[in-house]
Amino acid sequence: AQSVTQLDSQVPVFEEAPVELRCNYSSSVSVYLFWYVQYPNQGLQLLLKYLSGSTLVKGINGFEAEFNKSQTSFHLRKPSVHISDTAEYFCAVSDRASGSRLTFGEGTQLTVNP
Amino acid sequence: DGGITQSPKYLFRKEGQNVTLSCEQNLNHDAMYWYRQDPGQGLRLIYYSQIVNDFQKGDIAEGYSVSREKKESFPLTVTSAQKNPTAFYLCASSEWGLANYGYTFGSGTRLTVV
Repeated sequence: AQSVTQLDSQVPVFEEAPVELRCNYSSSVSVYLFWYVQYPNQGLQLLLKYLSGSTLVKGINGFEAEFNKSQTSFHLRKPSVHISDTAEYFCAVSDRASGSRLTFGEGTQLTVNP
Repeated sequence: DGGITQSPKYLFRKEGQNVTLSCEQNLNHDAMYWYRQDPGQGLRLIYYSQIVNDFQKGDIAEGYSVSREKKESFPLTVTSAQKNPTAFYLCASSEWGLANYGYTFGSGTRLTVV
């Protein structure tokens, strides 16, 4: 069975600082990994995904994530955040055995302060 | 443009009443999902459907019911048996069996019991 752990429930940072949102997963087979962003009172929007190949994945809004198989991690990073990045971020995992069902982490609230 | 439409955006219900949340997609996706979101608890799966006229319970199905009479539509009924229905409800869709595609989400319905 799959599971996802987002290690920080809240991450406060100052504008223009770098940020890392941490995600660890467990799965016994090859996985697909996703990061979604949710702005207040809206649905989730796909930021980026890892399917195979290069372990560094670039997404929208300047975010990137690195797949680390040995550490079973898929941390999300941005070198310089903006106020508009304030949102909740969800990590998710799926694999071929699960069909297309995603397992979500509990989310990380990123708050960017001026 | 293809997407998922949830309606209404806000819904108020008196205790003891059933209410139905609408979810329509024009992406030609086979699978559809309903999630409940409460602060600090991430996304919890209520029901999902892989094909028309078939659906399965998720992790918190008690007090909810669904139908899937058309591929495009997956309405969720919150019954009076649901003891704490106030929450944000998200509908999503995907291609079933293609785990690398991820989900497309609607913009959500916020249900409040008054």
